[in-house]
Amino acid sequence: EAGVTQFPSHSVIEKGQTVTLRCDPISGHDNLYWYRRVMGKEIKFLLHFVKESKQDESGMPNNRFLAERTGGTYSTLKVQPAELEDSGVYFCASSLTGATESGKLFFGSGTQLSVL
Amino acid sequence: AQRVTQPEKLLSVFKGAPVELKCNYSYSGSPELFWYVQYSRQRLQLLLRHISRESIKGFTADLNKGETSFHLKKPFAQEEDSAMYYCAQGSGNTGKLIFGQGTTLQVKP
Repeated sequence: EAGVTQFPSHSVIEKGQTVTLRCDPISGHDNLYWYRRVMGKEIKFLLHFVKESKQDESGMPNNRFLAERTGGTYSTLKVQPAELEDSGVYFCASSLTGATESGKLFFGSGTQLSVL
Repeated sequence: AQRVTQPEKLLSVFKGAPVELKCNYSYSGSPELFWYVQYSRQRLQLLLRHISRESIKGFTADLNKGETSFHLKKPFAQEEDSAMYYCAQGSGNTGKLIFGQGTTLQVKP
């Protein structure tokens, strides 16, 4: 079974540029999450999709971040324009059920974003 | 706001020594708590969850509501246990997890 796949694995951009991160969840997983780990800090929730709908986007830092999941399959997270503080590792995770009684989220390898 | 605290950034022990990775949560109800682990060059993965009261790779974690803690323990550490460990708390029934800052466990030979 293929795991959660994220592209690219690394991205180095300049401040003000745009970057789009992609996540392919495990096939059949309706729930898709984006998390972010900024250097030295905890992994923070960004948002949660159920199929193509945004279930919870309370963790999105500001309107420079836009997440989509057209068709309920893969998801993209766009940062436009990128700022220095956006640097960090962006994780995508998927799960079959959304309930935390399982707590079993399958994580991707992450995208290391560096904004210079 | 719900918060998970892991007070130690780094815990270094010798092989065979007992290990306890501390985790405290802030939630007045019945929490859903988990430990995730990330080994070097691997993905973040679920290690164990309090609801199943299981022991995985020799690790156990007991929920102490009085102390609002969910410490991860292992009686005899192995070198292959070296990794980053994250304590996490479920938030509602959405699958959203709130993570602690993580503790790096270093097991020396």
